[in-house]
Amino acid sequence: KQEVTQIPAALSVPEGENLVLNCSFTDSAIYNLQWFRQDPGKGLTSLLLIQSSQREQTSGRLNASLDKSSGRSTLYIAASQPGDSATYLCAAEGNTDKLIFGTGTRLQVFP
Amino acid sequence: DVKVTQSSRYLVKRTGEKVFLECVQDMDHENMFWYRQDPGLGLRLIYFSYDVKMKEKGDIPEGYSVSREKKERFSLILESASTNQTSMYLCASNLDRVRTEAFFGQGTRLTVV
Repeated sequence: KQEVTQIPAALSVPEGENLVLNCSFTDSAIYNLQWFRQDPGKGLTSLLLIQSSQREQTSGRLNASLDKSSGRSTLYIAASQPGDSATYLCAAEGNTDKLIFGTGTRLQVFP
Repeated sequence: DVKVTQSSRYLVKRTGEKVFLECVQDMDHENMFWYRQDPGLGLRLIYFSYDVKMKEKGDIPEGYSVSREKKERFSLILESASTNQTSMYLCASNLDRVRTEAFFGQGTRLTVV
């Protein structure tokens, strides 16, 4: 059974810092891995989707990488801003068509 | 813009009531999902549907049922609401065949008193 883990659970950094969020999964037979952002009390917003055949995806200041063999994905945020403060969730999709979520990393960027 | 819309942002219901949570997507997606989200437990899948009138149990289906009579609409039903069903409920959809990204609604915060 797929299990997804995110470390750290919480992170607080000063504005301008580059940071890395980690996501690990136990079953490497995934179709894709997706990163989401969630603001307090809101739904999830899709950030990046990496297909299993890809190594990374980029959108603006965000870069996500995928290493299936080691069961890891990272989300890199460049030049962090207070508006980046949110919970970041990763989710792995396998052959069951279901997304399996990690419990998230709560990020706070202070001015 | 793609859109998944949940009928209510906040709901307060009494124990024993039958509760309907509605979700509509305008992207012609085959797959639709219902999750609940609780502190410390993350998102857990309740039910999902990969076609009209088709449904599959997720990890925590007990106490819930679903209905998908039209492709764009997926309803979650709490047959007899209980206080342990107080939670944030999230609906999502994606396009099946090419494993595309999932889109989520804004969430429904349900409180059962």
